[in-house]
Amino acid sequence: NAGVTQTPKFQVLKTGQSMTLQCAQDMNHNSMYWYRQDPGMGLRLIYYSASEGTTDKGEVPNGYNVSRLNKREFSLRLESAAPSQTSVYFCASTAGQGIGKTEKLFFGSGTQLSVL
Amino acid sequence: SQQGEEDPQALSIQEGENATMNCSYKTSINNLQWYRQNSGRGLVHLILIRSNEREKHSGRLRVTLDTSKKSSSLLITASRAADTASYFCATANYGNNRLAFGKGNQVVVIP
Repeated sequence: NAGVTQTPKFQVLKTGQSMTLQCAQDMNHNSMYWYRQDPGMGLRLIYYSASEGTTDKGEVPNGYNVSRLNKREFSLRLESAAPSQTSVYFCASTAGQGIGKTEKLFFGSGTQLSVL
Repeated sequence: SQQGEEDPQALSIQEGENATMNCSYKTSINNLQWYRQNSGRGLVHLILIRSNEREKHSGRLRVTLDTSKKSSSLLITASRAADTASYFCATANYGNNRLAFGKGNQVVVIP
């Protein structure tokens, strides 16, 4: 099993450009997440999808949109990239056992994004 | 708001020594988890402790949870150079389907 696969691994954008980060999991997990990681800030949740067909905002959703395309795939879109979005982005998934019972997350290897 | 604040932020120890990290949180939790991140990689789950548990072991890892103090500790015994990594605590809170991560502890084990 590949687990959680993210593409691309690296990306450089100019301010104002758009792009989509792709994430797919092959573990039949219900819940999927997008986090960003910045130095000294830990991981901050951007958006999550508790189950297919639902998405919810996390701590830092501004400037991002998401799509839960099907149970396997959860994409993150930057419509108009800004330098403040320079970060490492991680996708994660978990089986999902219901509200308040978030169990072990499986992480992808990350996307390093630079916005110039 | 950020749940989970680890303390200390950076730790440097000799191989064979024990490493202890602490994590505090602010609201009621369902469970608390610890993750490891090697440089340039994704996070890897280490151990999960539920709110009704006080201590849990996994290999060289020992986690404690004190819900009255809203704190947890991670102990790595007999550290190895391969334990060099960042360690994060994360809390699963009642009422949502998310994990809130702390800022992480950098641990360097010197051979």
